Amino acid sequence: SQKIEQNSEALNIQEGKTATLTCNYTNYSPAYLQWYRQDPGRGPVFLLLIRENEKEKRKERLKVTFDTTLKQSLFHITASQPADSATYLCALQRDSSASKIIFGSGTRLSIRP
Amino acid sequence: EADIYQTPRYLVIGTGKKITLECSQTMGHDKMYWYQQDPGMELHLIHYSYGVNSTEKGDLSSESTVSRIRTEHFPLTLESARPSHTSQYLCASSDSGQRANYGYTFGSGTRLTVV
Repeated sequence: SQKIEQNSEALNIQEGKTATLTCNYTNYSPAYLQWYRQDPGRGPVFLLLIRENEKEKRKERLKVTFDTTLKQSLFHITASQPADSATYLCALQRDSSASKIIFGSGTRLSIRP
Repeated sequence: EADIYQTPRYLVIGTGKKITLECSQTMGHDKMYWYQQDPGMELHLIHYSYGVNSTEKGDLSSESTVSRIRTEHFPLTLESARPSHTSQYLCASSDSGQRANYGYTFGSGTRLTVV
């Protein structure tokens, strides 16, 4: 069955450092991979989408890579800030017409001052 | 800046009661979704709609029902609430065509507790 794996343990990073989160998937061939941020008790907020033919995408302090051979995406936050503390979800989409996407359980990130 | 609204935010209700969770969006999105999420767990799709009068069950079996009579409104109903329905319910919407690649927009959720 389709499976998305994200670091189950919380990631604790010193402010100013780069945080790197991992998303691995199996039994799936997504055309698109998305990253969301979720704060406690709130709905996820869309951050970035990367296509299978894109190796890397950037948005301000965020960088996402997508390796379809390794079946892995890396999500980087540079110059991390305490306000970046949240749970980050990886989501897979099969193609542009497939509106249903599947979500990982997320990685909790804590940035300490 | 949320353009998708869920009410109520929190609900505590007794077993056997009928409840309706409201979800409305003002973005004109044709696709809408209901997800269920327990603390620290992944989101599970329970219902989705690709347009007015179109509804489908999701990947997670659910005793709830939905309707889509208007583009902007996608309510979820539980005819008889049970403690096993206690969870966070998240509504989302998305666009189609060239704007489909801007991800989902989620509401803030309804935290349901059935006692």
